[in-house]
Amino acid sequence: GENVEQHPSTLSVQEGDSAVIKCTYSDSASNYFPWYKQELGKRPQLIIDIRSNVGEKKDQRIAVTLNKTAKHFSLHITETQPEDSAVYFCAASMGGNEKLTFGTGTRLTIIP
Amino acid sequence: EADIYQTPRYLVIGTGKKITLECSQTMGHDKMYWYQQDPGMELHLIHYSYGVNSTEKGDLSSESTVSRIRTEHFPLTLESARPSHTSQYLCASSIGGREKLFFGSGTQLSVL
Repeated sequence: GENVEQHPSTLSVQEGDSAVIKCTYSDSASNYFPWYKQELGKRPQLIIDIRSNVGEKKDQRIAVTLNKTAKHFSLHITETQPEDSAVYFCAASMGGNEKLTFGTGTRLTIIP
Repeated sequence: EADIYQTPRYLVIGTGKKITLECSQTMGHDKMYWYQQDPGMELHLIHYSYGVNSTEKGDLSSESTVSRIRTEHFPLTLESARPSHTSQYLCASSIGGREKLFFGSGTQLSVL
């Protein structure tokens, strides 16, 4: 089955700087890669996703890049703000009815 | 408002008790999932269902059981709770053919 590795497990960034979280996946058939954000005490929520026919996707201060050859994808957050502090999960699936496989999570702390 | 609801939010019980964690969604989704979340973050899929009378075990072995008699309802039962079952349990749902997961607020279970 699919295996997703996520790094780093913790990340501290000065407010205003950029943060990057990286994930690698094992199954070349995977074609859907979402990112979820879980604030302290709250439910995980989808923040951005990308499909394998696209190399990059942006939504305001967040972006995701995908390298299918290397089987890795990354989340980029620019101009970080205190409300970006949360746990971020990457995931991968083959789409459709296939289950999502989650990474182990990254705890991002924004230092004021 | 269309959402996914979990009750109770917190539960403290003694060893050996039988418990049922409730999950209901009003979004008309056909797929539903149960995740167990470690204190350290990681999400583990323990059960899923793609429709009424369909249930499958997830990637993490669990002593819990589930049922799906109605589309909107996906309860999880522990016949005899143990301290090792102490964790947060997150319910999620998605619509067929689309991968975005909607999570409930979770049940924090403590078994003494």
